[in-house]
Amino acid sequence: EAGVAQSPRYKIIEKRQSVAFWCNPISGHATLYWYQQILGQGPKLLIQFQNNGVVDDSQLPKDRFSAERLKGVDSTLKIQPAKLEDSAVYLCASSPHSTDGYEQYFGPGTRLTVT
Amino acid sequence: TQLLEQSPQFLSIQEGENLTVYCNSSSVFSSLQWYRQEPGEGPVLLVTVVTGGEVKKLKRLTFQFGDARKDSSLHITAAQPGDTGLYLCAGAPSGTYKYIFGTGTRLKVLA
Repeated sequence: EAGVAQSPRYKIIEKRQSVAFWCNPISGHATLYWYQQILGQGPKLLIQFQNNGVVDDSQLPKDRFSAERLKGVDSTLKIQPAKLEDSAVYLCASSPHSTDGYEQYFGPGTRLTVT
Repeated sequence: TQLLEQSPQFLSIQEGENLTVYCNSSSVFSSLQWYRQEPGEGPVLLVTVVTGGEVKKLKRLTFQFGDARKDSSLHITAAQPGDTGLYLCAGAPSGTYKYIFGTGTRLKVLA
């Protein structure tokens, strides 16, 4: 079974530029998550999708971050414009469902450096 | 904001030693998970505990969920270099299905 795919793996941009990350979850997984992991910290949930609908985006900085999951499969996360504090690893995860005790399967992440 | 604090933050030990990592909160969780994350990769689930006082064993790893479901511990017996990584706990507050990750414990096992 193929795992969660993310691209690109690394990205370096200057502040105020835009960037987009792509995620392809495990086939058949209804729930998709985007996390931000700052160096030395645990992942922080940015947004959760159930199929193509948003379940939770309470911690997504909506003035600069946006995400979509068209057709309930692939997802993209965009930052526009980027700030220095956005430097982090952006992790995508998927799970078959979102009930208690579910396992999240994580992709390798995209390491973003904003200079 | 619920906060899951892990201790210690960093741990460097020799191969063969035992260690315990703690995950503490003032909130009650309906379930709690432990993940291990290696450099350049995403976290991988090790275990899920759902019952207060529950103990689960995975080879040399022993996981315990506190009686009050506010804390958890991970004990590794006879650590090996392959155990090196970032250990993360994640708890789902009662009444929610959303997991919140802890601050992480970075373990290094020296050969």
